[in-house]
Amino acid sequence: AQKVTQAQTEISVVEKEDVTLDCVYETRDTTYYLFWYKQPPSGELVFLIRRNSFDEQNEISGRYSWNFQKSTSSFNFTITASQVVDSAVYFCALSEANNYGQNFVFGPGTRLSVLP
Amino acid sequence: DTGVSQNPRHKITKRGQNVTFRCDPISEHNRLYWYRQTLGQGPEFLTYFQNEAQLEKSRLLSDRFSAERPKGSFSTLEIQRTEQGDSAMYLCASSPRLAGDNEQFFGPGTRLTVL
Repeated sequence: AQKVTQAQTEISVVEKEDVTLDCVYETRDTTYYLFWYKQPPSGELVFLIRRNSFDEQNEISGRYSWNFQKSTSSFNFTITASQVVDSAVYFCALSEANNYGQNFVFGPGTRLSVLP
Repeated sequence: DTGVSQNPRHKITKRGQNVTFRCDPISEHNRLYWYRQTLGQGPEFLTYFQNEAQLEKSRLLSDRFSAERPKGSFSTLEIQRTEQGDSAMYLCASSPRLAGDNEQFFGPGTRLTVL
């Protein structure tokens, strides 16, 4: 069965602090895909990153970086030098290749508040 | 705007009424998904279309829910005899791929409030 856990319900940081959002997943498939989405107050889900299960290379994109570790089934997301505009709910999601429709299973989300 | 669009953005209805939502996916995306998001939760999968065929339904999709994608383009989600527990954000997503990493593009959602 697929499951995504985001243990941090809410995080508050002061602007310019670094913050890491945790994501732990469960799957029986050997081929799967992991995603992070941002949901600002406007409500629309914004795609941030996609990772497949065969690519454990960490990725950096500007202030964002991702740490994928299959050994611990984790796909953590770090924002460096946070800004007020980063305030949003962040969702981690899993999609299994052998799942016919490849629908997403989302975690419950982590609400990030960046205070000025 | 070439993104996924959904209408209406907000719907308030009384318990027992029927409601219908529309989703227009990105052109030529053959996959279309409906999700439901309740307050404080992540989106939950409801159903999936590949072109006009509805290929998968979640157990969350009770008999009161029906979805169509008649020409393989836009899709509608209808809820009959609405209940207060149906209050949620209904999200539509589309994807261009037949296989592979299946990035999904989400619409802005329709927020349903059942009084």
